[in-house]
Amino acid sequence: DAGVIQSPRHEVTEMGQEVTLRCKPISGHNSLFWYRQTMMRGLELLIYFNNNVPIDDSGMPEDRFSAKMPNASFSTLKIQPSEPRDSAVYFCASSRDRVTQYFGPGTRLTVL
Amino acid sequence: AQSVTQLDSHVSVSEGTPVLLRCNYSSSYSPSLFWYVQHPNKGLQLLLKYTSAATLVKGINGFEAEFKKSETSFHLTKPSAHMSDAAEYFCVVSDGAWNTDKLIFGTGTRLQVFP
Repeated sequence: DAGVIQSPRHEVTEMGQEVTLRCKPISGHNSLFWYRQTMMRGLELLIYFNNNVPIDDSGMPEDRFSAKMPNASFSTLKIQPSEPRDSAVYFCASSRDRVTQYFGPGTRLTVL
Repeated sequence: AQSVTQLDSHVSVSEGTPVLLRCNYSSSYSPSLFWYVQHPNKGLQLLLKYTSAATLVKGINGFEAEFKKSETSFHLTKPSAHMSDAAEYFCVVSDGAWNTDKLIFGTGTRLQVFP
């Protein structure tokens, strides 16, 4: 199995631009999670989906962030407009048993 | 509320000596507990998990952890450190409640291994 796939691996953009991060979960997994990792705040859960439905988005920092899961094999996390404080590593994870999560390699976002 | 406390932010050991990374948890339910490892500029990799089966859990790369309910601990150990073990280690708890898949991450322990 290829594992969780994230793209791009690195993204550098300017403040105010729209950023879209992509994730392909492991085939057969029905839960998907988006996390953000920074030195200051550690790992934070932003949102998670079960069977393509958003279950808990309480971790989404503000309206500039949105996430979608149009089908079982694809999800996006969008930031519009981006700000320098959004700079972080964004991880996607998926799970089959609602307990054990498998993480992707992450997307390192830098907003100038 | 569920939480985990990793008692050491940094641990340094010499290659070939034992490793002990400490973790205490708090959970209202029968918890599921995990250790994840993150190498520099990499994603998180599952080392091992406890889900109410055997209290001594063996993971990858020679790591193991013991669930001690009386001490609310889930310490990670390895008999002999290798240079490649240098990484950040996260202790994680899931409350296992039916309506949530959330994981609660500890703040991490950075393991350094000296030759």
